[in-house]
Amino acid sequence: DAGITQSPRHKVTETGTPVTLRCHQTENHRYMYWYRQDPGHGLRLIHYSYGVKDTDKGEVSDGYSVSRSKTEDFLLTLESATSSQTSVYFCAIRGITGPNTEAFFGQGTRLTVV
Amino acid sequence: GDSVTQMEGPVTLSEEAFLTINCTYTATGYPSLFWYVQYPGEGLQLLLKATKADDKGSNKGFEATYRKETTSFHLEKGSVQVSDSAVYFCALSVESGNQFYFGTGTSLTVIP
Repeated sequence: DAGITQSPRHKVTETGTPVTLRCHQTENHRYMYWYRQDPGHGLRLIHYSYGVKDTDKGEVSDGYSVSRSKTEDFLLTLESATSSQTSVYFCAIRGITGPNTEAFFGQGTRLTVV
Repeated sequence: GDSVTQMEGPVTLSEEAFLTINCTYTATGYPSLFWYVQYPGEGLQLLLKATKADDKGSNKGFEATYRKETTSFHLEKGSVQVSDSAVYFCALSVESGNQFYFGTGTSLTVIP
């Protein structure tokens, strides 16, 4: 199994509070991704990173920011959590770009905003 | 734009039944196609992939053939087991980008 650890695995937070989710990898992979999974929507890309300090937005980036100060860590921050951000969040990693390479996923973080 | 359309679920089958989950795609260039599986409470795992037209990916009794003429990558298994109960995602990756595009997922329940 690819070495990907997401933390926390579960979190309940209040509306309006900031929340940071962490993805840590031990594979030294260049590409890291944050997705959210919601019923009826499948997986939607929030942000991704193609190197240290290099990030870009995905299709549902509003309300989220990311940072990558080290190869192994990719942080997702909800600046001010809202109930619409209740979801399961997955981190994924990929060694090289190009269509042939698969992504490896973490176990997910279940976030509930009350 | 690039996208994947996947068969709506949920799907419920009896053990040993034949499974087909449909997946069609829209993409520029020559994408690679993937099927991922998600077991309850877990992340996604790669089930199989195909990187060019007419390739067949296979794993654990599952198969899918990359059909360029019909832009499809349907997942099949001849005889499902209770342990195959999971959510299945079709995905594509294009030459020009860093991203994966996922379908909405199809939930499969196999009953004894």
